[in-house]
Amino acid sequence: DAKTTQPPSMDCAEGRAANLPCNHSTISGNEYVYWYRQIHSQGPQYIIHGLKNNETNEMASLIITEDRKSSTLILPHATLRDTAVYYCIVREMDSSYKLIFGSGTRLLVRP
Amino acid sequence: SQTIHQWPATLVQPVGSPLSLECTVEGTSNPNLYWYRQAAGRGLQLLFYSVGIGQISSEVPQNLSASRPQDRQFILSSKKLLLSDSGFYLCAWSVLSGGGYTFGSGTRLTVV
Repeated sequence: DAKTTQPPSMDCAEGRAANLPCNHSTISGNEYVYWYRQIHSQGPQYIIHGLKNNETNEMASLIITEDRKSSTLILPHATLRDTAVYYCIVREMDSSYKLIFGSGTRLLVRP
Repeated sequence: SQTIHQWPATLVQPVGSPLSLECTVEGTSNPNLYWYRQAAGRGLQLLFYSVGIGQISSEVPQNLSASRPQDRQFILSSKKLLLSDSGFYLCAWSVLSGGGYTFGSGTRLTVV
């Protein structure tokens, strides 16, 4: 079962920041938080991951709370092409490195 | 650079027919390999994963099987397809040093 909880849908205006929340209250100390997105009919695309510190790359920023029980993915300037299903995943750190996907958040970016 | 190839892109098969989907990875050695399925309007379900040649772990009981005959080849099979096997099948790879998965472009299977 997925270890994360996300709102089923969100929307934001084009050009504005999109803030996608995720709860992972049962996360273990060595488990990472990963974010992926899936645009319709395509394979999921890796966005970012982190352990305890905030992370930023060319796509997004990841803010993880101090107790690590929740996180927020931030798309600083959403575009129409960011419309997708966004998955927050806690990655198991055994040899399998499995990713168990939940239901995700369907983000709609409005013109 | 690393690439992942998955084929065919679409497939229509009759109920009771066999299935073989192939996934190959280039540019990396000893990757972990994964098969996922996404039913229409649903999330991604992990079906199988492999940490090495000949090593297959099944996540859910089903009508499918997987094999890894070579380090960078992962095959999903079925002897007799069911209607419920329809879906979008995705192969992915990962290296043990962390980082993200890379997914293939997927195979859309329709069982009729």
